Amino acid sequence: DAKTTQPNSMESNEEEPVHLPCNHSTISGTDYIHWYRQLPSQGPEYVIHGLTSNVNNRMASLAIAEDRKSSTLILHRATLRDAAVYYCILRDKGGGSNYKLTFGKGTLLTVNP
Amino acid sequence: NAGVTQTPKFQVLKTGQSMTLQCAQDMNHEYMSWYRQDPGMGLRLIHYSVGAGITDQGEVPNGYNVSRSTTEDFPLRLLSAAPSQTSVYFCASSSGTVYFAGANVLTFGAGSRLTVL
Repeated sequence: DAKTTQPNSMESNEEEPVHLPCNHSTISGTDYIHWYRQLPSQGPEYVIHGLTSNVNNRMASLAIAEDRKSSTLILHRATLRDAAVYYCILRDKGGGSNYKLTFGKGTLLTVNP
Repeated sequence: NAGVTQTPKFQVLKTGQSMTLQCAQDMNHEYMSWYRQDPGMGLRLIHYSVGAGITDQGEVPNGYNVSRSTTEDFPLRLLSAAPSQTSVYFCASSSGTVYFAGANVLTFGAGSRLTVL
């Protein structure tokens, strides 16, 4: 199964950009890269996803390396509400035609006022 | 839309008791799954389903049963609760069928906190 590696924690200051890295050196050619985040005492929520090209949405940007072995989630201006655990995950192939998504421990982002 | 609804939000059980965590979604999603989250362990997949009548095991399936009789519901059963099953449980769903597309986004419920004494 394709795995991801993220730093355990990162710290940022409010209104500064944040770059959250993710390594996925064993990614397959058809795996999508997804990012989710989990605010305190809540369920995870979708942030962004991509395949090969960089992606932007209202929450964040996703920069994908040319060899796809790493990616970076970019929060352009961190706010206190962005303090959360951020998960980088890949689509895993389960048995037969079934698929499962597995999450690692993620990166705990602390935002300082 | 309600999205993914989990009940109960909190539950305390004694060792050996049984219970069912309910999960329902109103988005006509084919894919549903259960995760547990323990401190320092991230999210671990228990069971998942790619459609009615189809289920499969995740990383930590022991001690849990699931079934999928309808598209909307995916209950998680603990037949004989153990203290090791004390955790926060999350249900998640996604569009996509057995040809699950890696682009499909997961929607999570708010979680069910279970304590087994």
